Amino acid sequence: DQQVKQNSPSLSVQEGRISILNCDYTNSMFDYFLWYKKYPAEGPTFLISISSIKDKNEDGRFTVFLNKSAKHLSLHIVPSQPGDSAVYFCAASVGQGAQKLVFGQGTRLTINP
Amino acid sequence: ETGVTQTPRHLVMGMTNKKSLKCEQHLGHNAMYWYKQSAKKPLELMFVYNFKEQTENNSVPSRFSPECPNSSHLFLHLHTLQPEDSALYLCASRSNRALFYEQYFGPGTRLTVT
Repeated sequence: DQQVKQNSPSLSVQEGRISILNCDYTNSMFDYFLWYKKYPAEGPTFLISISSIKDKNEDGRFTVFLNKSAKHLSLHIVPSQPGDSAVYFCAASVGQGAQKLVFGQGTRLTINP
Repeated sequence: ETGVTQTPRHLVMGMTNKKSLKCEQHLGHNAMYWYKQSAKKPLELMFVYNFKEQTENNSVPSRFSPECPNSSHLFLHLHTLQPEDSALYLCASRSNRALFYEQYFGPGTRLTVT
């Protein structure tokens, strides 16, 4: 049973517009959520995170929103740039100091000029 | 070298071969991980090591044998693999003293079992 799901395998957005990537989870014990970005032939790199005590975290062009009641989080990228084209993974963890991350299957984002 | 490095980057092996994957982290971290990424599947955690001790084995078949001689190095020894073991194998590291849970990943080894 997949505890973290990214239901859109791909997303195509025009340069300059907003990209919204979605992630759903089933385990209500998750209390920390992260987004990773992966380019081909490279490992995933950490992008942004959010604790369950917050509902929004912003870092430059990237904002993550958390809706605990819906068990849903989203990553907003605005404005989208060609360099944002990559695979984005959502991940979640349980418990203070937890070391295990549960990943979604990823969404491939393509930014069109 | 900086960050997390993995060698080799690509490996093709027969089902009767024995090979090893190597991971090295230059970040002063004390937790290291092996993940498997198969096509169109989430990253699957395989093993976790903390201070050289294995703290997690996610029901991985014994044909995968990890080794962590020190906090900077992690190996994955492979023997008698199956074609379905073909995947991208990612190593990651993390500081146990970190405030946040982010893990730092290497570039991965693309393994093909023939």
